[in-house]
Amino acid sequence: KAGVTQTPRYLIKTRGQQVTLSCSPISGHRSVSWYQQTPGQGLQFLFEYFSETQRNKGNFPGRFSGRQFSNSRSEMNVSTLELGDSALYLCASSGAGPTDTQYFGPGTRLTVL
Amino acid sequence: QQQVKQSPQSLIVQKGGISIINCAYENTAFDYFPWYQQFPGKGPALLIAIRPDVSEKKEGRFTISFNKSAKQFSLHIMDSQPGDSATYFCAASSPGTYKYIFGTGTRLKVLA
Repeated sequence: KAGVTQTPRYLIKTRGQQVTLSCSPISGHRSVSWYQQTPGQGLQFLFEYFSETQRNKGNFPGRFSGRQFSNSRSEMNVSTLELGDSALYLCASSGAGPTDTQYFGPGTRLTVL
Repeated sequence: QQQVKQSPQSLIVQKGGISIINCAYENTAFDYFPWYQQFPGKGPALLIAIRPDVSEKKEGRFTISFNKSAKQFSLHIMDSQPGDSATYFCAASSPGTYKYIFGTGTRLKVLA
């Protein structure tokens, strides 16, 4: 079974721009979660989607948004980029259970200049 | 109450030694505790996980010890190898939240 895939793997943007990251979950998984990883803050939860519905959201500003498609693929968008948004953005997929194991993709490394 | 406190921040162990990483939590609603291993440039990979109905779980050289009353759990890596050199994260999850709360990570270096 193929793992979680994320595209692009690397991205360089400038302040004020917006960016869209994509995630394809493991086949059969319907839950997709997004996390931000930085050296200072560690791994922080952004949001989780299941069957195209957001079930939970972390403490991030409204500039961070996401969506999920009917095939379970997910995208996250960050608008009006700030220098502090530079991070590794990780997507994880899991089954339908409330505490099913999450399997992570390799991440998208976003650098904001 | 949502935090998971992880220690130590970094750890150096000789090849063949035992690596021990500890985590503590406050939220008694947590009922799933996974450990992840992350190599540079890679996403976290699930190593082993435990639920609070057992006190210990072993998979190969990796063991989780769980102390429900103390609200602590730990990862033991037996016979540590240089290939185990990575960053390890503990995490916790509670039903209905659909998210993990991660510890701050432990950078393990195993000397050859």
